[in-house]
Amino acid sequence: GEDVEQSLFLSVREGDSSVINCTYTDSSSTYLYWYKQEPGAGLQLLTYIFSNMDMKQDQRLTVLLNKKDKHLSLRIADTQTGDSAIYFCAEFSPSGGSYIPTFGRGTSLIVHP
Amino acid sequence: GAGVSQSPSNKVTEKGKDVELRCDPISGHTALYWYRQSLGQGLEFLIYFQGNSAPDKSGLPSDRFSAERTGGSVSTLTIQRTQQEDSAVYLCASSPGPDYEQYFGPGTRLTVT
Repeated sequence: GEDVEQSLFLSVREGDSSVINCTYTDSSSTYLYWYKQEPGAGLQLLTYIFSNMDMKQDQRLTVLLNKKDKHLSLRIADTQTGDSAIYFCAEFSPSGGSYIPTFGRGTSLIVHP
Repeated sequence: GAGVSQSPSNKVTEKGKDVELRCDPISGHTALYWYRQSLGQGLEFLIYFQGNSAPDKSGLPSDRFSAERTGGSVSTLTIQRTQQEDSAVYLCASSPGPDYEQYFGPGTRLTVT
């Protein structure tokens, strides 16, 4: 089946940039999502990128997509303590007939002073 | 506007009892998903409803799990004869249609003692 892989932990110092990486296997992926989950809460959509794009920037967030290597990254500039959360990568291929996104296991981002 | 709501937020039950978890999707959203999130794990897909179509039950882990969606709106996930391994956070998500991103509820934390 399709698979999405992420590293489980990332620790950064406040003010530095964070880069969270994700790899996926489905070459027909149409959308690639980044969700944020704060403690005790559900998942909140942060940003997404279409598979025909290489990069998307939204304020402090930059998403880079290397479709050839099936590699997705989320860069958070000037990371703040409020960015501490679990970040999930997900791929979605409705054009392939599957309406169920595949999620990674999530990367716990820890921001320390 | 109102987001996805779930109830109860926490549920503690004894092994062998049945439980019902409720999800109220965003009004007008035709697609509804249930996921399970176990400690340290990613999101495990359980079931997907889209409009009046037959649900995709391919993720239900056993016949003790069932779900229904009444009137294309509220959904109930039922777990019969609960086991300790059923302890997890159960997340519900809805979307405007099958090709759109998902909006998640806060989840129900189920503890089976």
